[in-house]
Amino acid sequence: QKEVEQNSGPLSVPEGAIASLNCTYSDRGSQSFFWYRQYSGKSPELIMFIYSNGDKEDGRFTAQLNKASQYVSLLIRDSQPSDSATYLCAVNMGYNNNDMRFGAGTRLTVKP
Amino acid sequence: DAGVTQSPTHLIKTRGQHVTLRCSPISGHKSVSWYQQVLGQGPQFIFQYYEKEERGRGNFPDRFSARQFPNYSSELNVNALLLGDSALYLCASQSPVTTGELFFGEGSRLTVL
Repeated sequence: QKEVEQNSGPLSVPEGAIASLNCTYSDRGSQSFFWYRQYSGKSPELIMFIYSNGDKEDGRFTAQLNKASQYVSLLIRDSQPSDSATYLCAVNMGYNNNDMRFGAGTRLTVKP
Repeated sequence: DAGVTQSPTHLIKTRGQHVTLRCSPISGHKSVSWYQQVLGQGPQFIFQYYEKEERGRGNFPDRFSARQFPNYSSELNVNALLLGDSALYLCASQSPVTTGELFFGEGSRLTVL
């Protein structure tokens, strides 16, 4: 079983729509969860992190965590063409933040 | 402040050769992690070092090794290169404030022929 799983996509949404990205993880003891954005040919950059069950909002982005279901998601409201990128879900599976595991990523395209 | 820096940015090697990749973390960061990213895949964890000690290791063969120096910079070494080692190698440092956020360098693109 893969440790962190994401829908590989590609996911295509029209400009202004809500993009929903999903991720499940295998280690029930995981405590910290991250969403990274990676533009083609670039390195990943952090969008959000979440530790507690529930929702966390930052501008157009909302991360949702459900530890009982081992599920984390990212919603992007009012999607813009500049949001077109690969979104990586990452889960820290070690103590002291020493074992960050990434999903394969979901490629998002926002069409004008 | 400078971000995470990696060198070289691109390199081409042949099968069986050895490669050394270098990384300097953000000033004040004591933790360095190495990841391998094959095209179309997410980054795969190779190693984490903290204060010169290995704190985590992913599922990679012994051909992969790393070390961290007193100034917290790090090297990743890969011996007996295989075609399948062709990938983007990412180095990331972590803030001492334990949010766990990784700050990535631009990567070293390795091509093995």
